[in-house]
Amino acid sequence: GQNIDQPTEMTATEGAIVQINCTYQTSGFNGLFWYQQHAGEAPTFLSYNVLDGLEEKGRFSSFLSRSKGYSYLLLKELQMKDSASYLCAVLDSNYQLIWGAGTKLIIKP
Amino acid sequence: GAVVSQHPSRVICKSGTSVKIECRSLDFQATTMFWYRQFPKQSLMLMATSNEGSKATYEQGVEKDKFLINHASLTLSTLTVTSAHPEDSSFYICSARPSGFSFHNEQFFGPGTRLTVL
Repeated sequence: GQNIDQPTEMTATEGAIVQINCTYQTSGFNGLFWYQQHAGEAPTFLSYNVLDGLEEKGRFSSFLSRSKGYSYLLLKELQMKDSASYLCAVLDSNYQLIWGAGTKLIIKP
Repeated sequence: GAVVSQHPSRVICKSGTSVKIECRSLDFQATTMFWYRQFPKQSLMLMATSNEGSKATYEQGVEKDKFLINHASLTLSTLTVTSAHPEDSSFYICSARPSGFSFHNEQFFGPGTRLTVL
């Protein structure tokens, strides 16, 4: 079966750095997405990785290792507004998104 | 950027009635649109994949006669929840994949529709 694992909840301090991990086992791979979702709102796109390595975009970076079936989202200089759920999703061989359950990130002052 | 709208954003209805939710891609054409459902504190669950001009493909466990999907044009897909019951209360989100090649294979999400069935 297809499976995506990420921690249920993480807590971090404002101004700090946090890394959210995601491991996956899917039938085929056409890329991995990270989305941010605030409570009661739809997900918004953060990043897309299809090749191994680190993609940096401002305070957010995303890393992918296809051989290990592993990705992480790195958030730097955390702000209170970063409190949200972070969803990892993999595009499988049928170009269908397989979603993780999401990681709820709590930022404390 | 690509924008997807959903209407209505919030709806409250009585048990047994039907509710239609519209999903529109405003500045791009979308051959494929997706309908998701999300219960509180849970992740997105794909209900069905909607392809313009053809029948929708439903995920296992989703009743196609209860959740009617129509994708009549490249910019509009509709989801009708027929004979809604309180257990159908949820956050319904659509997404659209632009037609043609896209390196990022990205789906653009609508803002969601909060359905409450009394």
